[in-house]
Amino acid sequence: GQNIDQPTEMTATEGAIVQINCTYQTSGFNGLFWYQQHAGEAPTFLSYNVLDGLEEKGRFSSFLSRSKGYSYLLLKELQMKDSASYLCAVRDSTGGFKTIFGAGTRLFVKA
Amino acid sequence: EAGVVQSPRYKIIEKKQPVAFWCNPISGHNTLYWYRQNLGQGPELLIRYENEEAVDDSQLPKDRFSAERLKGVDSTLKIQPAELGDSAVYLCASSWTNEQYFGPGTRLTVT
Repeated sequence: GQNIDQPTEMTATEGAIVQINCTYQTSGFNGLFWYQQHAGEAPTFLSYNVLDGLEEKGRFSSFLSRSKGYSYLLLKELQMKDSASYLCAVRDSTGGFKTIFGAGTRLFVKA
Repeated sequence: EAGVVQSPRYKIIEKKQPVAFWCNPISGHNTLYWYRQNLGQGPELLIRYENEEAVDDSQLPKDRFSAERLKGVDSTLKIQPAELGDSAVYLCASSWTNEQYFGPGTRLTVT
């Protein structure tokens, strides 16, 4: 089966850097996604990793280690608007490429 | 480019009543997903379509839920009869390659 773990909540200060970790267990790994979801809104795509290493996109970076079943999302120069839930999702090739979402990490950015 | 369109945005019904949700995906996206999201949780896949074929409906409670995607474009998700536990946000998403684009969702409240 599949299992995704990420912290429930995190708090960070405006202008700082925060790292949101995600560990997963899956039998047929086929990619890891990070989505951002503001309260009451739909998830929006942030990043996609299928190979090991760091993918950088502006203030956001995502890292993947397939051997460790581990990923993190790094947010730099935090802004108040970054307060949201961050969903880690894994695509599994078994059962037809299903994408499984974690419960999300609620990030609070304080002034 | 228009995003994923869903209607209605909000729906309040009494238990045992039927309800239907409609989704219009992004033009050209052949994969369509219906998710259910409970408060504080990540989206949970109900059904995935490739064009008009339902390729993964293993999580759809088939005794009361049904879905269709006629002509491989718009889709409808129906619940009949609704139960109190069905209160949630129902998200529709579509994709062409890896990332999924989500609609605004329908917030269902069953009283």
